[in-house]
Amino acid sequence: NAGVTQTPKFQVLKTGQSMTLQCAQDMNHNSMYWYRQDPGMGLRLIYYSASEGTTDKGEVPNGYNVSRLNKREFSLRLESAAPSQTSVYFCASSALQGKGNTIYFGEGSWLTVV
Amino acid sequence: AQSVAQPEDQVNVAEGNPLTVKCTYSVSGNPYLFWYVQYPNRGLQFLLKYITGDNLVKGSYGFEAEFNKSQTSFHLKKPSALVSDSALYFCAVRDTEADRGSTLGRLYFGRGTQLTVWP
Repeated sequence: NAGVTQTPKFQVLKTGQSMTLQCAQDMNHNSMYWYRQDPGMGLRLIYYSASEGTTDKGEVPNGYNVSRLNKREFSLRLESAAPSQTSVYFCASSALQGKGNTIYFGEGSWLTVV
Repeated sequence: AQSVAQPEDQVNVAEGNPLTVKCTYSVSGNPYLFWYVQYPNRGLQFLLKYITGDNLVKGSYGFEAEFNKSQTSFHLKKPSALVSDSALYFCAVRDTEADRGSTLGRLYFGRGTQLTVWP
């Protein structure tokens, strides 16, 4: 039962470097999401993809880009990393967007920007 | 505007005692309400949700939550706490009104409550 798989688990970047977080789900879900988690702030939505071929900004999209590669995969790219992007990143998916659909999360990617 | 409040950053209970983790919400329409649990260095795991119907919702690991519309609350409860229940708990809400004319129906999370169950 893989569910939502994201890589890498841990990453240290220098300011200005770029990197891509990969995410894949095997639940045949239509909607996928990227969240960041910071202490005392809960989870904040960065970008989401309601269905294959569409992406939209969430609450905190600045400094990030996303690609919905196919129905299974949704990647998050940091073009020029900044210390403020030090965080834990979670990929998630749901069968459909909105209503009572449950969102299922990956195990997280711990990113440190120095 | 939609929002979720978890008024307690930390809750400490003795093993075997009942536990309650509080959550209140604010939405324009009717709410969809969720509880998630996060163990150290892990992702969020879904516990239970309220969509409609019976106000008492039962979920995983013996947890339950009661929807109270008049108090706009959705408190998480368990009759007898276990040390293994120690974790970070998140309440989340989605506004049914946000599903109309919107493509998101965004899920709003509280800041989390750290539950510690001591032996």
